[in-house]
Amino acid sequence: DQQVKQNSPSLSVQEGRISILNCDYTNSMFDYFLWYKKYPAEGPTFLISISSIKDKNEDGRFTVFLNKSAKHLSLHIVPSQPGDSAVYFCAASAGGAQKLVFGQGTRLTINP
Amino acid sequence: DAGVIQSPRHEVTEMGQEVTLRCKPISGHNSLFWYRQTMMRGLELLIYFNNNVPIDDSGMPEDRFSAKMPNASFSTLKIQPSEPRDSAVYFCASSPLGGKGEGYTFGSGTRLTVV
Repeated sequence: DQQVKQNSPSLSVQEGRISILNCDYTNSMFDYFLWYKKYPAEGPTFLISISSIKDKNEDGRFTVFLNKSAKHLSLHIVPSQPGDSAVYFCAASAGGAQKLVFGQGTRLTINP
Repeated sequence: DAGVIQSPRHEVTEMGQEVTLRCKPISGHNSLFWYRQTMMRGLELLIYFNNNVPIDDSGMPEDRFSAKMPNASFSTLKIQPSEPRDSAVYFCASSPLGGKGEGYTFGSGTRLTVV
C-alpha cells in the first residue's frame, strides 16, 4: 500500500508563475514531512520540511503547507524558474523515526 | 568530502545472474539506507543500517535480495538471482545517526537493467 501519494506524475508551468505540487498521505502517525528535489542522473536532495505542529513553513521561494485534517501537503514555488525543472518527491516519517516513506514523485517542467 | 559514492553507475545483466551494488557513505555518517526507485512506487526503502547493524529490512522484496555493511565505510546490496522486474534505479543514502530527513545525503544511484 502506498502511504504517501503524489497523484500528478507531471506538471508544466510557465516561468514566473506559481508551481503547486501536491501530496497526500494515509498514515496518521506521520508527523514530519519533507520535500526532495531530484535532477536527472543525480540523487535526491533535501529542499524543505515541516513538522506536524505547524501548518506552514517558508524558505525563500519555497513554501510547504500542511493540512492535517485532510492528510494533505503541498509545495508552492513562487516565482518558478527554469532551474526548478526537476522531479519532486514528498516524504514522511513517524515519531522521530529515521525511516522516510516517499511518494512516487512529480516531474515539474518550467517553460520559458 | 566526495559525498555518497555508488558503483557501478549502470549495470546491465542477464536474468539469473548475480548483481552486486556498492556504496561508500560519507565519513562520520553512521546511518546508511538503500532505496529503490521505480515509476510506479517512487522511492522505496529496502533496508537501513545504524552503526553497521541492520535495523529494518522489511522493505527487502524477497530472499533474492541481501545487504551487508561489513564496516562503516562500505555496504553492498546483492541480488541473486536477478530478474527483469528488479530493473530500477537503486540509491544509497547516508546520514548522521538519529538525524532527520534533512540530513540524508543520497548517492547518484545505480541504474540496473536485467534482460
